[in-house]
Amino acid sequence: QKEVEQNSGPLSVPEGAIASLNCTYSDRGSQSFFWYRQYSGKSPELIMSIYSNGDKEDGRFTAQLNKASQYVSLLIRDSQPSDSATYLCAVNRGNYGQNFVFGPGTRLSVLP
Amino acid sequence: DAGITQSPRHKVTETGTPVTLRCHQTENHRYMYWYRQDPGHGLRLIHYSYGVKDTDKGEVSDGYSVSRSKTEDFLLTLESATSSQTSVYFCATRDSWGEQFFGPGTRLTVL
Repeated sequence: QKEVEQNSGPLSVPEGAIASLNCTYSDRGSQSFFWYRQYSGKSPELIMSIYSNGDKEDGRFTAQLNKASQYVSLLIRDSQPSDSATYLCAVNRGNYGQNFVFGPGTRLSVLP
Repeated sequence: DAGITQSPRHKVTETGTPVTLRCHQTENHRYMYWYRQDPGHGLRLIHYSYGVKDTDKGEVSDGYSVSRSKTEDFLLTLESATSSQTSVYFCATRDSWGEQFFGPGTRLTVL
C-alpha cells in the first residue's frame, strides 16, 4: 500500500460545477495535510493546509480532514477552466525532514 | 510565497559530466529539500537539509550529493551525470507550520 494515494484521473467536470478530489494516507501518526496545485510545466503551488479534523474553507476551496478514516479531500466550488491542473495531496508525518510525503496527483480538467 | 530561486532553469549536458544545481532562498527557512519529478513517479525526495552543514538522504539519493554552507543556499551535485538523471528538479523550503514552498524548477537533460 502506498503511503499517500490519489486517483490519477483525469477528473473532468463542467465549468461551474463542484470538483471533488480525494486522498487517503496510511500512517495514522500523520499530523498535517496539504493540497498543492501544479500547472503543466510549473512548480507545485500550495493552496490549502489543514491540521485538525473537519472542514477548512478558503474562497472557492474547502479542505476536509477525517483522521479516523485517514482521508483528506479538496472541494473546488464553481470550477473554472483555470482550475485545470494536477492536484497533489501531501502528508507530513512528523517534524523531521523526510516525513513529508506526496501523493501521485489527480489531474483535473474543467470543461467550458 | 517563499522567495526561492533555482539556477540554471534549463541545462543540457552529456553523460559523465558533473552538474551542480543551485537553490537560493530569502525566507531564512531552516529546512530545504531537493526533489525530482518524473512522469509516473511523482515527486521523489533526493536529499534534504535541516540546517547549515546538516543534510540527510531521501528516497532516491544514489548518484547525488548536496551541500549547505549557508542558510540561504542548497546545492545539488550530480558527480557523473547519467541519462536516468534526466528530470525536472525542484528545490523546496519548509516554514514553521510545516508548509513546503517550491522553487520554479530546473529541467535537466542528460544526453
